[in-house]
Amino acid sequence: AQTVTQSQPEMSVQEAETVTLSCTYDTSENNYYLFWYKQPPSRQMILVIRQEAYKQQNATENRFSVNFQKAAKSFSLKISDSQLGDTAMYFCAFMKGSGGGADGLTFGKGTHLIIQP
Amino acid sequence: SAVISQKPSRDICQRGTSLTIQCQVDSQVTMMFWYRQQPGQSLTLIATANQGSEATYESGFVIDKFPISRPNLTFSTLTVSNMSPEDSSIYLCSVETSGVSKFYNEQFFGPGTRLTVL
Repeated sequence: AQTVTQSQPEMSVQEAETVTLSCTYDTSENNYYLFWYKQPPSRQMILVIRQEAYKQQNATENRFSVNFQKAAKSFSLKISDSQLGDTAMYFCAFMKGSGGGADGLTFGKGTHLIIQP
Repeated sequence: SAVISQKPSRDICQRGTSLTIQCQVDSQVTMMFWYRQQPGQSLTLIATANQGSEATYESGFVIDKFPISRPNLTFSTLTVSNMSPEDSSIYLCSVETSGVSKFYNEQFFGPGTRLTVL
């Protein structure tokens, strides 16, 4: 079984600052995917960014980027130029690469990110 | 992307009763998933529901407590049976839509059903 650990229950930064959310995971799988999901107060889960384990290049999506360290089993999320709308719970998630399609996600406990005006 | 609706959006139920939650998708999908999010907690996978086969349950979840139906490629139901206050949670369905998202293997989530058991 795999586990996902987010060690920061809550973080608070000023608008326009850069913030990094930490995530570590444990697995014996070699083929897998890692995700960061955002859950604002509306509770709708929104995919922020995704990383395939076989790719060495870190994924980026506009202001969001990851630092994927496979050997260390670390997958941190960096948010640049943070905005008030980034305030949300952020969940790190793991999915086995089953080959025939998606598998269920294993989530970390989440980090509550607050962007202060 | 996929548009997912859930019914009901919220409900308050009495101990010992059962509630069936519906999940409707605007496109045909092979795999659907059901998650539980207890108050202030993360999401936990309950089961995977593929059309035409029995649902696969995760450790700690059993079919008698959480029976699932998957009658076609756009619809699924989760029933929470013989409810107790410990079942008070948000229940979310998700679908995987390979090939129609820029994120391959992305899972789209429904808005969730907030269940309170008294």
